[in-house]
This record gives sequence, structure tokens and C-alpha cells, in this order.
Amino acid sequence: GAGVSQTPSNKVTEKGKYVELRCDPISGHTALYWYRQSLGQGPEFLIYFQGTGAADDSGLPNDRFFAVRPEGSVSTLKIQRTERGDSAVYLCASSPGGLAGRLRASTDTQYFGPGTRLTVL
Amino acid sequence: GENVEQHPSTLSVQEGDSAVIKCTYSDSASNYFPWYKQELGKGPQLIIDIRSNVGEKKDQRIAVTLNKTAKHFSLHITETQPEDSAVYFCAAFRGSGNTGKLIFGQGTTLQVKP
Repeated sequence: GAGVSQTPSNKVTEKGKYVELRCDPISGHTALYWYRQSLGQGPEFLIYFQGTGAADDSGLPNDRFFAVRPEGSVSTLKIQRTERGDSAVYLCASSPGGLAGRLRASTDTQYFGPGTRLTVL
Repeated sequence: GENVEQHPSTLSVQEGDSAVIKCTYSDSASNYFPWYKQELGKGPQLIIDIRSNVGEKKDQRIAVTLNKTAKHFSLHITETQPEDSAVYFCAAFRGSGNTGKLIFGQGTTLQVKP
């Protein structure tokens, strides 16, 4: 498949448990984003990777949330000690990326995956 | 920080009519404005986008206009069809160097009645 894929599609867990959500970006895309979408709302930014490094993690709500992208491709969003308020759809997006400080025609377009619906009971 | 306001929250039109959704943004440094369509249970799908050096862009039945001075942009769908029914999101992007993120509006639920 040529698009962004996310697994699992649905995750039900109990309060206090640990969860991992996986994102496979479009092949060759160097930029990867995580967003969270609550019911009836637009997606909210969590974290942005350029390659292996987190270039912007200003959207992570607290230290229970962490994300990695060790090889610059697949990314995992990790949530510790889940709370009921963490229930949402977690979306991943990727974009081609580009040279620092330069705007390129195709670098900004973000392509989204189908999301993982997380339910914390 | 950047804030994006989107109106209306719901929009109902007859098949064949036009639909217009409007957004305003607060950060004058924003330079890229995509529109996404989201169907139930799916991720947002890019339908059209515009950059700050362009005032208007059209793709078949869909067009987007941008007014940088007023900091607002609009989505226009002509000859609407039932399959256009979905939630539409506008977004603003401030990309600079190694940072940048999409700030989304609240969404517009479009219903096209056959």
C-alpha cells in the first residue's frame, strides 16, 4: 500500500494500563506527525519528527505521552498509565520533508492514516 | 499561538447547489492552507490546498480562495453531490526550518440532500 498505515485500528484498554500505537508512514517521507482527535473536534497536534528526531513535541499533553522513531521510518506513540480522558482517535500523518529553512512545493502536504481509536475504560 | 476559526459548523444544501465554508487564522506567518475531507471512521483526506503566494486555486468542482490581508480563506464546492457529504476541516500551517504543524479548524459537517 502506498498510504500511511496505523495499527491497531481499535484499542480498548483499562485505566492505568500502558499502550503503544504504531504508524507506518509513506515510504521515503522524512517528516512524521502525530495528532489526537476528540469526538466532534479537529485534529490537535502532538509531536513532529524530522527523520529520527522529535523536532517539535510541544503538543504532548504531559509526560505520560512519549513517541519514538528510531530508524526514521516507523513511529510508535506510547501512553503510560492511561486515563479515561486519553480516549480519542490518534492520527498519524507523513510528508516528504525538506531542507531546513526552505519552502518546497511538496514538502508541507501531510497525508493522514486512518487512525487508531483508543478507548480507556 | 495560531488559532483557526471555521464556520459554519453544519451546512445542509440541496444536490446541485454550491457550498461555502470559511476559515480565519490568527498567525500572519502561516503560509500553507490545506482542506481535508473526513468520512466517518476514516482519516482526513486532502482535497485541495493553497499557499500564501497564490490567491485562488481550483480543481474541478472545488476551489479555494485566500485573502492574506484579512487572514481568511474559503472552500467552495459547486454542483454538490451526495458523496460530498462529510466533515470538512480547514487548517493553517506555519512551516519554518525544522518545525511546523497543522492547526485545524473545528470542522464543518456538510450534508448534501438528494
